[in-house]
Amino acid sequence: GQNIDQPTEMTATEGAIVQINCTYQTSGFNGLFWYQQHAGEAPTFLSYNVLDGLEEKGRFSSFLSRSKGYSYLLLKELQMKDSASYLCAVRENNNAGNMLTFGGGTRLMVKP
Amino acid sequence: SAVISQKPSRDICQRGTSLTIQCQVDSQVTMMFWYRQQPGQSLTLIATANQGSEATYESGFVIDKFPISRPNLTFSTLTVSNMSPEDSSIYLCSVTGTDSYEQYFGPGTRLTVT
Repeated sequence: GQNIDQPTEMTATEGAIVQINCTYQTSGFNGLFWYQQHAGEAPTFLSYNVLDGLEEKGRFSSFLSRSKGYSYLLLKELQMKDSASYLCAVRENNNAGNMLTFGGGTRLMVKP
Repeated sequence: SAVISQKPSRDICQRGTSLTIQCQVDSQVTMMFWYRQQPGQSLTLIATANQGSEATYESGFVIDKFPISRPNLTFSTLTVSNMSPEDSSIYLCSVTGTDSYEQYFGPGTRLTVT
């Protein structure tokens, strides 16, 4: 089984930087994903980490440390449209194939 | 990327009835997943549906309650049987992309059971 923890809510200011942390415990680790989900919409893929280190994609970066069971999503130059839930998900090998298990999500509120 | 559509987009159903949700993908995919997202909560995997084999259900979900079909590599259905208000949720279909690491989600089906 898996245990994935992330903060429930965060608030940040437009133009600032925010870091959303995610810790996990799992066997058969096969990658960590971050998704963005606006209210009433489906999750959209942001990033994928399977090796240790930082992956940068525009204003969004994601970091992974497999030995620590830790990841973070870094959002720079925050915009109002970044207000959303951010879901950390861990992929695990199981009998059915590669399944994703999601954390509870972090609701980010960006204020002017 | 994969384009996924779901039908219906939303429905209001009476207790005790059943609803079948369809998921269509614009390309052939090996693995399809069904998730549930209850109000204010994160996503929970219901089952994995591979073509040509029975679906694999996660703990807490059973085939009698959530029968799944996977007749080909672009289509799947999830039925929510004998519904109760506790089944009110968003049901999302998901597939793994050709790069095998990206996972995409359909727009979801918002179900309300009265």
